[in-house]
Amino acid sequence: DTGVSQDPRHKITKRGQNVTFRCDPISEHNRLYWYRQTLGQGPEFLTYFQNEAQLEKSRLLSDRFSAERPKGSFSTLEIQRTEQGDSAMYLCASSLGRTSPEAFFGQGTRLTVV
Amino acid sequence: AQRVTQPEKLLSVFKGAPVELKCNYSYSGSPELFWYVQYSRQRLQLLLRHISRESIKGFTADLNKGETSFHLKKPFAQEEDSAMYYCALSSSGTYKYIFGTGTRLKVLA
Repeated sequence: DTGVSQDPRHKITKRGQNVTFRCDPISEHNRLYWYRQTLGQGPEFLTYFQNEAQLEKSRLLSDRFSAERPKGSFSTLEIQRTEQGDSAMYLCASSLGRTSPEAFFGQGTRLTVV
Repeated sequence: AQRVTQPEKLLSVFKGAPVELKCNYSYSGSPELFWYVQYSRQRLQLLLRHISRESIKGFTADLNKGETSFHLKKPFAQEEDSAMYYCALSSSGTYKYIFGTGTRLKVLA
């Protein structure tokens, strides 16, 4: 499968622990997006990168959340001091950007905070 | 405020019946509208983009700027159309999406 891949697929963690998720976009895609999806809702935008530059962050992204995309390749999303409200599906997507806005989504990482 | 509204959480139709999934949006400016679909155990994928004006898998969607709507239609539903459908808008440039809450379509035999 040469699409967007996310790791891990599932993560269960205790409240207060830190977690990190990884996203590998489609190789030629310069844009990478993170979304969060809770039960019964559509995906909500968190942040996006153009190559290695983080260009926008949603107000949903509290200071416990940090995302990186070193060298413009894979990306990581870290949540520090997890809370039960962080339980959600975290989706990554990539696109060619201006030349083609179609976003290709990964299968997501489901986080459960207990 | 930028918003996408999908009023129906669940839509059940019989095979062969017409389908219309509703989507209304609120946006100041000229948004791009999309429909994404998620089949069971699969990832979210693009179905339609309003600019392309294509028919994909028999589905069409017309952007009505006066009514700020982008309803998805298919004249004859098939069982394989059963899935979760999300309407989304994006601003040109960033192409970050604002999604609706989704409509689950069930096509009954």
